[in-house]
Amino acid sequence: GNSVTQMEGPVTLSEEAFLTINCTYTATGYPSLFWYVQYPGEGLQLLLKATKADDKGSNKGFEATYRKETTSFHLEKGSVQVSDSAVYFCALSLMDSSYKLIFGSGTRLLVRP
Amino acid sequence: EAQVTQNPRYLITVTGKKLTVTCSQNMNHEYMSWYRQDPGLGLRQIYYSMNVEVTDKGDVPEGYKVSRKEKRNFPLILESPSPNQTSLYFCASRGQGAGANVLTFGAGSRLTVL
Repeated sequence: GNSVTQMEGPVTLSEEAFLTINCTYTATGYPSLFWYVQYPGEGLQLLLKATKADDKGSNKGFEATYRKETTSFHLEKGSVQVSDSAVYFCALSLMDSSYKLIFGSGTRLLVRP
Repeated sequence: EAQVTQNPRYLITVTGKKLTVTCSQNMNHEYMSWYRQDPGLGLRQIYYSMNVEVTDKGDVPEGYKVSRKEKRNFPLILESPSPNQTSLYFCASRGQGAGANVLTFGAGSRLTVL
């Protein structure tokens, strides 16, 4: 079946540290891949996306590259800020009629000053 | 402002007491969906709707009903809530064209069933 696996959290970093959150997927067909972010008390917001192999999504200093050979979509940021503290969800969609997003379990990031 | 609005944001109820969580979007989106978020499980789709009067089950539809009588509204109905429906619920909608593969989420409704 289709699934997304994320690294367990929480991830605790100091400000300006380098961030990697691992995400791997299993899917039939050719999924689109997404990272969503959830700030405390808020809904999910799209952070970045990639729709085909080797695409790189980027936004707000975050990047992720669609790696078909390793079925991965790892999220990276070179220098995190306290304001990046949130829960990050990796997700895939097969873009079928249900347009269902299949989410990973989420990774909580805590950035300390 | 383009948004998805859910109400109530917080609700505590008792087993068996029917409740409705409303969802409204102002973006003229055809597609709408409900998810529930549980610790360690991420978000799972409950129901979705491709357009007015067109609804279908997601992965975890048991114990829920939906309706889509108007394009902007997509209420989630719990006819007889049970404690295992205690969760954080999100409504989402999807645009067409350039925004076709991006979901816009509401702020969430936290439901506790005692």
